Amino acid sequence: DVKVTQSSRYLVKRTGEKVFLECVQDMDHENMFWYRQDPGLGLRLIYFSYDVKMKEKGDIPEGYSVSREKKERFSLILESASTNQTSMYLCASSLVLPGANVLTFGAGSRLTVL
Amino acid sequence: AQTVTQSQPEMSVQEAETVTLSCTYDTSESDYYLFWYKQPPSRQMILVIRQEAYKQQNATENRFSVNFQKAAKSFSLKISDSQLGDAAMYFCAYRAYNNNDMRFGAGTRLTVKP
Repeated sequence: DVKVTQSSRYLVKRTGEKVFLECVQDMDHENMFWYRQDPGLGLRLIYFSYDVKMKEKGDIPEGYSVSREKKERFSLILESASTNQTSMYLCASSLVLPGANVLTFGAGSRLTVL
Repeated sequence: AQTVTQSQPEMSVQEAETVTLSCTYDTSESDYYLFWYKQPPSRQMILVIRQEAYKQQNATENRFSVNFQKAAKSFSLKISDSQLGDAAMYFCAYRAYNNNDMRFGAGTRLTVKP
């Protein structure tokens, strides 16, 4: 029944490591998103993709990159993890505009960078 | 840029009572959508209710209803007959009609007391 799957629920990484967060959706959605969730700040958009190989920066793209080689998969990459990237990362997907298309979220990946 | 403000970091309600969560937003757009999402502890974010800005009638979903005041840019969520399962973080969100990305508030943590 799970529609958006995030590969890792909890990760612990060291400063400077390269980190991959994977997200897969099975709803044939065009749009996929990566958000970062921090207490008191809500959800902030890192990147989103509206098609294969297409991406757009969100509010906080610095230190992150993304990859979308297949429609169902959207990866978030931390090239060199830093302690200030310790956070909860949420992947979501939706149908393309127009309409009140809602986001379907994954369960989240809690990343700790030591 | 559109911003979403939730001024109540925490709220509590007695079981079976009614509670209202506040949300205001700032936009220069005339066509947009508003959403309330619920994030139970350690569980996935799910949609509670949505409202199209062009509709004057307030949306209702069972025990959940909204008070949408377009001129005041206010979008509050009312939960009637509160249940223990309503305990969660609640996020207000905004999306412009022609924009893919969704903007979230900082969230309100709702506690339901038995």
